[in-house]
Amino acid sequence: DAGVTQSPTHLIKTRGQHVTLRCSPISGHKSVSWYQQVLGQGPQFIFQYYEKEERGRGNFPDRFSARQFPNYSSELNVNALLLGDSALYLCASSQGGVANTEAFFGQGTRLTVV
Amino acid sequence: AQTVTQSQPEMSVQEAETVTLSCTYDTSENNYYLFWYKQPPSRQMILVIRQEAYKQQNATENRFSVNFQKAAKSFSLKISDSQLGDTAMYFCAFMKPRFGNEKLTFGTGTRLTIIP
Repeated sequence: DAGVTQSPTHLIKTRGQHVTLRCSPISGHKSVSWYQQVLGQGPQFIFQYYEKEERGRGNFPDRFSARQFPNYSSELNVNALLLGDSALYLCASSQGGVANTEAFFGQGTRLTVV
Repeated sequence: AQTVTQSQPEMSVQEAETVTLSCTYDTSENNYYLFWYKQPPSRQMILVIRQEAYKQQNATENRFSVNFQKAAKSFSLKISDSQLGDTAMYFCAFMKPRFGNEKLTFGTGTRLTIIP
């Protein structure tokens, strides 16, 4: 079975540009979460979506947005990129709806803003 | 808001030895989950072990076990018979379960190196 897949794996963007990161959850999983991991730090929660509805949002500016599609895949969008947005962006999926389910992570998208 | 603290940025141990990674957390919640995740150079986060706060018995998974001290808000990970493949970043994480919202709060991590 395929795990959580993220695309692209690496990305280089210029300050001020826009970026879209994509995540496909494990088949049967309805919940997708996004995390930002800056070099040398632990992941920071950005968003969680369950059944296409936003269920949680971390302390990130409005330049960050996300959505979940009917097939439960998800996109993370970041507008007006800053140098500080350079990070590893991790997507995690879980069954959702039941609070103690395990989160399965993808291998992440490494975003570099120059 | 919950916080998770890992006070050991780096650790190293000889292969086959035992190593303990420390984690403390702060919360006013009574019902929650604690996790240890491993992140090897491949970048993918892998769940090592999970502990439910309402369970007094410490969780174990093969060579991995935890020492959960709820009153002290401490959650350490013990790795026995360490192997070269255990070399990775280890993150402690907290989750307050809510329906449809399983936000994880991570610590800053401990870089563990197993020396041959």
